Amino acid sequence: KAGVTQTPRYLIKTRGQQVTLSCSPISGHRSVSWYQQTPGQGLQFLFEYFSETQRNKGNFPGRFSGRQFSNSRSEMNVSTLELGDSALYLCASSLEGAGGTGELFFGEGSRLTVL
Amino acid sequence: AQSVAQPEDQVNVAEGNPLTVKCTYSVSGNPYLFWYVQYPNRGLQFLLKYITGDNLVKGSYGFEAEFNKSQTSFHLKKPSALVSDSALYFCAVRETETGRRALTFGSGTRLQVQP
Repeated sequence: KAGVTQTPRYLIKTRGQQVTLSCSPISGHRSVSWYQQTPGQGLQFLFEYFSETQRNKGNFPGRFSGRQFSNSRSEMNVSTLELGDSALYLCASSLEGAGGTGELFFGEGSRLTVL
Repeated sequence: AQSVAQPEDQVNVAEGNPLTVKCTYSVSGNPYLFWYVQYPNRGLQFLLKYITGDNLVKGSYGFEAEFNKSQTSFHLKKPSALVSDSALYFCAVRETETGRRALTFGSGTRLQVQP
């Protein structure tokens, strides 16, 4: 079974630009979560989507947004990039419902550098 | 609000010796607890979880963890460390009594196993 796939793996942007990151979950997983990882703040929860609906949201400004499609693939967008947005963005999928106990399966991440 | 503390930034152990990586948590009600490992420039890999039942949980690569409700701890252990175990380890908690499904992660502990 294929794992969680994130694209692109690496990208460089300049301040003020916007970026879109993509995530394909494990087949059959309908929940997709996004996390930001930085050396200073560690792993911080951005948002979680289930069946195309945002179920949970972390404490990030409105510049960070996401969506989920009917095939469970998800995208996140960051607009008006700031230097502090440089981070590893991790997507994770999980099996929800009667068989799910919440463990997340992570992709390799998208490393964003903002210059 | 739920929280996780990993009191040690780094743990050093000699190959072949037992290792312990500490984790304490704070959550309303009964927790779901998880351990993840991260290798350089990679995503997080799931190691093990505690949901209910036996307090000693066995996971991947010979790791185990002991749930202690009275001490609100979930320490990761391995009887005999390998150099290849050197990585960054994260403890995480999820509430079970609210609708919030996001995992809250600790700050991470870097495990260094010396040959």
